[in-house]
Amino acid sequence: AQSVAQPEDQVNVAEGNPLTVKCTYSVSGNPYLFWYVQYPNRGLQFLLKYITGDNLVKGSYGFEAEFNKSQTSFHLKKPSALVSDSALYFCAVREWSNTGKLIFGQGTTLQVKP
Amino acid sequence: GAGVSQSPSNKVTEKGKDVELRCDPISGHTALYWYRQSLGQGLEFLIYFQGNSAPDKSGLPSDRFSAERTGGSVSTLTIQRTQQEDSAVYLCASSYPGLTPTKNIQYFGAGTRLSVL
Repeated sequence: AQSVAQPEDQVNVAEGNPLTVKCTYSVSGNPYLFWYVQYPNRGLQFLLKYITGDNLVKGSYGFEAEFNKSQTSFHLKKPSALVSDSALYFCAVREWSNTGKLIFGQGTTLQVKP
Repeated sequence: GAGVSQSPSNKVTEKGKDVELRCDPISGHTALYWYRQSLGQGLEFLIYFQGNSAPDKSGLPSDRFSAERTGGSVSTLTIQRTQQEDSAVYLCASSYPGLTPTKNIQYFGAGTRLSVL
């Protein structure tokens, strides 16, 4: 069965510092990986995806993610955090089935302090 | 509309009542998903519709839950005889169909927050 794990419930970082939100996955076959962000009382917003190709994927709002096959990781990164980046972040893997449903990690709350 | 639209945004109901939640997907998206977001269970898949095909109901937690999609567009999720454990945010997502990953990005609505008293 496919699964995704986000080992940190919360990540705290100072504004202007780099941030990393961790994600590891377990799949059989090639993974299709996604990051979504959720602001309070809002739905999930798509940030970026990894399908194939370059291990460094660039997405919205200056975020990027690094795919590492040997470590089965897909960490979300940003070189310089903003207070407005404070939100709940979800890593997800697309299931290999006709539905293509997303299997989500538990979510990580990112707190960026001024 | 430009995005996935869900209504109502909030719903408070009494235990034992039936509720209906509505989702209007992005125009042209034939795939539609319902997910539930709750404190204890995180984000979990409920049901999937694709065009006129039979839906995948494998994620529905009980027979009190049902969903339909009329005309391949708007979907309604119905919860009968609501229980307190049904309290959650119900999210709808839509996408283009198929396994082409460049197209198969799911876009989510803002959700319906259901509170069962």
